[in-house]
Amino acid sequence: DTAVSQTPKYLVTQMGNDKSIKCEQNLGHDTMYWYKQDSKKFLKIMFSYNNKELIINETVPNRFSPKSPDKAHLNLHINSLELGDSAVYFCASSQNLRTGGEKLFFGSGTQLSVL
Amino acid sequence: GEDVEQSLFLSVREGDSSVINCTYTDSSSTYLYWYKQEPGAGLQLLTYIFSNMDMKQDQRLTVLLNKKDKHLSLRIADTQTGDSAIYFCAESMNDYKLSFGAGTTVTVRA
Repeated sequence: DTAVSQTPKYLVTQMGNDKSIKCEQNLGHDTMYWYKQDSKKFLKIMFSYNNKELIINETVPNRFSPKSPDKAHLNLHINSLELGDSAVYFCASSQNLRTGGEKLFFGSGTQLSVL
Repeated sequence: GEDVEQSLFLSVREGDSSVINCTYTDSSSTYLYWYKQEPGAGLQLLTYIFSNMDMKQDQRLTVLLNKKDKHLSLRIADTQTGDSAIYFCAESMNDYKLSFGAGTTVTVRA
């Protein structure tokens, strides 16, 4: 069983389209995250949710809207896609909000290519 | 990101030791981490060290922390081909999120 699963693995789309990436964790964790990894492998946090509540929003354009229907799911919807949105998006989860000493479990990533 | 810096590439011969270095800026970081990313996969936690420790050893992995210089290193003994991956250093900012470096790509050659 995959602990953190995200779909789709690959997403190729045209500029201006709206797309969603889904994430689910079966670990019973309280906290979920979205990270963006650019072409230089630089990894930056976008959002974190704790028990369905938004905790961190790192100056991400409001074209990006996370939605957490329950604490096992955190989806990412992106409106009006731009070329600069091309990246690998990783979902992650941790047991608690405080990350000290705890593992982040990552999904295998969604490679988004905007043409 | 800007808070965590690491060299981008390391090439090592199979069987040798690898040392990956990292510097960070936030002296109040409580935990420092090493994550590994294999091709096409997400990051996996390798090890972490609490800021009041100088060293932590876990099988082939040794983490050294120099808090004064804000320098963290990961040594992999007897490097194997399966160790080829990208290694990310990360620091815990206020315990609410991790700030990652840009990753060091380690290539193990036969």
